[in-house]
Amino acid sequence: EAGVAQSPRYKIIEKRQSVAFWCNPISGHATLYWYQQILGQGPKLLIQFQNNGVVDDSQLPKDRFSAERLKGVDSTLKIQPAKLEDSAVYLCASSFQGMHTEAFFGQGTRLTVV
Amino acid sequence: AQSVTQPDIHITVSEGASLELRCNYSYGATPYLFWYVQSPGQGLQLLLKYFSGDTLVQGIKGFEAEFKRSQSSFNLRKPSVHWSDAAEYFCAVGANYGGSQGNLIFGKGTKLSVKP
Repeated sequence: EAGVAQSPRYKIIEKRQSVAFWCNPISGHATLYWYQQILGQGPKLLIQFQNNGVVDDSQLPKDRFSAERLKGVDSTLKIQPAKLEDSAVYLCASSFQGMHTEAFFGQGTRLTVV
Repeated sequence: AQSVTQPDIHITVSEGASLELRCNYSYGATPYLFWYVQSPGQGLQLLLKYFSGDTLVQGIKGFEAEFKRSQSSFNLRKPSVHWSDAAEYFCAVGANYGGSQGNLIFGKGTKLSVKP
């Protein structure tokens, strides 16, 4: 079974530039999550989708971050403009909908803002 | 507010020795609790989870964890550590949004080093 796919694996940009990350969840998983993991910290949830609707985006910095999940499958997370403090690993995860379902994580995209 | 505390930032154990990683949580209702492991450059892999029932939970790779409500703890244990267990370990509590268990609050992690 294919896992959660993310691209690119690495990205280096200058501050104030824009960047986008892509995630393809496990087939059949209705729920998709984006997490931000800053070096030395645990992952922090940015946004949760159920199919193509947003369930929780309370920790998403909406002035610069945006995410979409058109057609309820793939998802894109965008940062515009990037700041130095956005340097982190961005993890995508997916799960079936329902109780007692676990989330499966992709390998992440490591973003460095210089 | 919900939170997870992992008191130990870095632990070193000898190969073959036993291991216990500590985790304390703060959560208003019955928590859903998880342990994940992350190897360098890799995503997170679920080791085990607790939803209800037996408070001693068995996971993959020989790990187990015990839920103690009175102590608000969910410590991870392994009787004999292997060199391949060197990684970072994250404890997490789940918030039930939309009926799915991927909406997680993570601790800051404990890095495990294994001495030969």
